[in-house]
Amino acid sequence: AQRVTQPEKLLSVFKGAPVELKCNYSYSGSPELFWYVQYSRQRLQLLLRHISRESIKGFTADLNKGETSFHLKKPFAQEEDSAMYYCALRSPGGGTALIFGKGTTLSVSS
Amino acid sequence: DAGVTQSPTHLIKTRGQHVTLRCSPISGHKSVSWYQQVLGQGPQFIFQYYEKEERGRGNFPDRFSARQFPNYSSELNVNALLLGDSALYLCASSLVWQGATEAFFGQGTRLTVV
Repeated sequence: AQRVTQPEKLLSVFKGAPVELKCNYSYSGSPELFWYVQYSRQRLQLLLRHISRESIKGFTADLNKGETSFHLKKPFAQEEDSAMYYCALRSPGGGTALIFGKGTTLSVSS
Repeated sequence: DAGVTQSPTHLIKTRGQHVTLRCSPISGHKSVSWYQQVLGQGPQFIFQYYEKEERGRGNFPDRFSARQFPNYSSELNVNALLLGDSALYLCASSLVWQGATEAFFGQGTRLTVV
């Protein structure tokens, strides 16, 4: 079955420290993966997707098919990065349906 | 900001009742998806509609139904409400229903079943 696992519920780091939010997936085909972010009192929004290979707000994520992972990284965390982060996998049924992980709360303090 | 709009924002219902949630997609978007987000979990896919036709369905009971109107807005209906239906219901719209198209989410409707 297709599944997304985010093993950490909460990740607390200091400003300027590196950040890595872990995401592992289970999928038999060629996966399409995303990171969504939800800032306090705001709606869920797309942060980045693996097919575009871009860096948004300093965040990057590399798809590792061997380890079935799509970890989100940032070299120097900022306080404004504090938010809930969800890893998501495009459902194999087609369409834009997504399978989400449980999310990781990132807390960046000074 | 003409984003995805959902109504109502909050709703309290009694077990056994029926509820209708509404979603207006971004102008020009023809696909709408619905998700249920229980506290502490990620969103779980319920339905996707495109051009008024159901294009995908998640693992939810038949008490859940939806439809899409000619103006591409959508309704999610839940019958015979259970306490476990208490959740944040999210609507997402996208230009089309396939391909590398981004899904834009609404603020959600918080449903509490008592």
